[in-house]
Amino acid sequence: AQKVTQAQTEISVVEKEDVTLDCVYETRDTTYYLFWYKQPPSGELVFLIRRNSFDEQNEISGRYSWNFQKSTSSFNFTITASQVVDSAVYFCALSEWDNNNDMRFGAGTRLTVKP
Amino acid sequence: DGGITQSPKYLFRKEGQNVTLSCEQNLNHDAMYWYRQDPGQGLRLIYYSQIVNDFQKGDIAEGYSVSREKKESFPLTVTSAQKNPTAFYLCASGWGQTVYGYTFGSGTRLTVV
Repeated sequence: AQKVTQAQTEISVVEKEDVTLDCVYETRDTTYYLFWYKQPPSGELVFLIRRNSFDEQNEISGRYSWNFQKSTSSFNFTITASQVVDSAVYFCALSEWDNNNDMRFGAGTRLTVKP
Repeated sequence: DGGITQSPKYLFRKEGQNVTLSCEQNLNHDAMYWYRQDPGQGLRLIYYSQIVNDFQKGDIAEGYSVSREKKESFPLTVTSAQKNPTAFYLCASGWGQTVYGYTFGSGTRLTVV
């Protein structure tokens, strides 16, 4: 069965620090997709990135970057030069091509960025 | 603008009462989902619907019911049979294959008093 583990429950950093949020997944499927969502205090989950299992290239989007390593079943998320507005709960999620009816979410990591 | 609307944002219910949470989308998405969020537990799937007039149970369907009479609407009823209904409820929609991801609503926080 698919599973996503976010071992870091809460992280607190000071503004301008870099921070990495860890995500480890389990799946038997060879075709799958990984996601990161951000949940600000307003409540809705905001899509950040989607990555398929055949694309291990790292991705950078502004201050955000993602490191996908199939060898360690990890899809980590790094925020460079963090800002107060980055404070939120971040969820990693996994969807398998052969299990079309469900997306599995990790427990989430609450990031607090202090000024 | 297209999106998902959940209402109300906050809901209070007395024990023993049923309550219905609204979810409406204008994204023309085929699939809709209900998740429950509890602190430290991530999102757990309650029900989902891939097409109108059809829906399936998720991991924690007991004490909940849904309907899908229109493509745009997927209301969730929290019944008195739900033992611990106080939680944050999120509705999502998508194109029917989860690999494409979801669009989420802003959630409803239900408190039983």
